[in-house]
Amino acid sequence: AQSVTQLDSQVPVFEEAPVELRCNYSSSVSVYLFWYVQYPNQGLQLLLKYLSGSTLVKGINGFEAEFNKSQTSFHLRKPSVHISDTAEYFCAVSAFGGSQGNLIFGKGTKLSVKP
Amino acid sequence: EAGVAQSPRYKIIEKRQSVAFWCNPISGHATLYWYQQILGQGPKLLIQFQNNGVVDDSQLPKDRFSAERLKGVDSTLKIQPAKLEDSAVYLCASSLGTGGYGYTFGSGTRLTVV
Repeated sequence: AQSVTQLDSQVPVFEEAPVELRCNYSSSVSVYLFWYVQYPNQGLQLLLKYLSGSTLVKGINGFEAEFNKSQTSFHLRKPSVHISDTAEYFCAVSAFGGSQGNLIFGKGTKLSVKP
Repeated sequence: EAGVAQSPRYKIIEKRQSVAFWCNPISGHATLYWYQQILGQGPKLLIQFQNNGVVDDSQLPKDRFSAERLKGVDSTLKIQPAKLEDSAVYLCASSLGTGGYGYTFGSGTRLTVV
């Protein structure tokens, strides 16, 4: 079975500052890793995903994440945030292969960008 | 392409009443999921369909929840009777397949049980 731990439930940051949202996972098999963003009263939107290859993954809206297998981490970063990045961010994991492969989500991190 | 459609967007019911949610996935997506997202938590899988067959319903409270996907396209999720703890956002998602495809989510149905 897989599990995801998002280490911070809330992250306040000032506009134009860098931000890192932390995610650790646990799995006995190889996994795919995802970050989703949820704006108020909306569904989840895929930011980026790691399937294989380069450990640095670039996504939409200037976000990137780095897969670290030895530390079982997949932290999300942005060098300069905007007010519009205020949202909740979810890290998710899916087992490699198999017919299920459903996404297991962390509890989310609320990013609050202040002017 | 059109996204995942869900209705209604909001629903308020009294406990012990029944309620149904509808989902229309992206055309051609064989896999459909229903997730429950309780306030302050991440989404939790309720049921996964592959075409019109159930792949995983291990976390579906089958004494009160049911779901079907007729003809491998639209899906409905029903709760009967509802409990206060069922208050949540119910998210439908679809994907081309499992594993690395990632999902496309609908906007969800916010259910309030009073």
